[in-house]
Amino acid sequence: AQSVTQLGSHVSVSEGALVLLRCNYSSSVPPYLFWYVQYPNQGLQLLLKYTTGATLVKGINGFEAEFKKSETSFHLTKPSAHMSDAAEYFCAVSRNSGYSTLTFGKGTMLLVSP
Amino acid sequence: DTGVSQDPRHKITKRGQNVTFRCDPISEHNRLYWYRQTLGQGPEFLTYFQNEAQLEKSRLLSDRFSAERPKGSFSTLEIQRTEQGDSAMYLCASSFTRGSTDTQYFGPGTRLTVL
Repeated sequence: AQSVTQLGSHVSVSEGALVLLRCNYSSSVPPYLFWYVQYPNQGLQLLLKYTTGATLVKGINGFEAEFKKSETSFHLTKPSAHMSDAAEYFCAVSRNSGYSTLTFGKGTMLLVSP
Repeated sequence: DTGVSQDPRHKITKRGQNVTFRCDPISEHNRLYWYRQTLGQGPEFLTYFQNEAQLEKSRLLSDRFSAERPKGSFSTLEIQRTEQGDSAMYLCASSFTRGSTDTQYFGPGTRLTVL
């Protein structure tokens, strides 16, 4: 069984500040890990993914995440927040083999103030 | 690549009515997934197709729910005798098998409100 825990249902930052959204996973097999972003009344857009290889993954819009196996974490960061980053962010895990459904966390709403 | 499309975007229905949603995946994507997202939660898996074959169904998918993917292209999700608890966003995703990576691309969703 797999599960994802996202710490903090809401995170508030000022424009230009560091963004840190936390994600911890549980998986009995090596995982694939994903971050998706959801803007109001829209579907989910893939930000970045970790499959194998380099543990620091760079995504779109300046976001990156680091896979830390020892900590079972996959935190999402961005050095400088922009107003347009305000959205809900979901961390997801899938099995590292063949097809696999995604197991999502409950999401973290990022609020960016001027 | 026009992305995953879903129709309708919004549906309001009365309890007990049947509703049907459609999903058009990205062209040539052989895998198609349905998820349900309720307020304040992440999406939850409902069912999965590879081509036209429905290969997995979640326990969330009660016998009032049925999904099809004729000819391995678009898919439909039908809910019979809707209940207020069915109110949610229904998301469709598609992917194409490439090695062992299966990245899912999501549509905009259909928001269902059951009165």
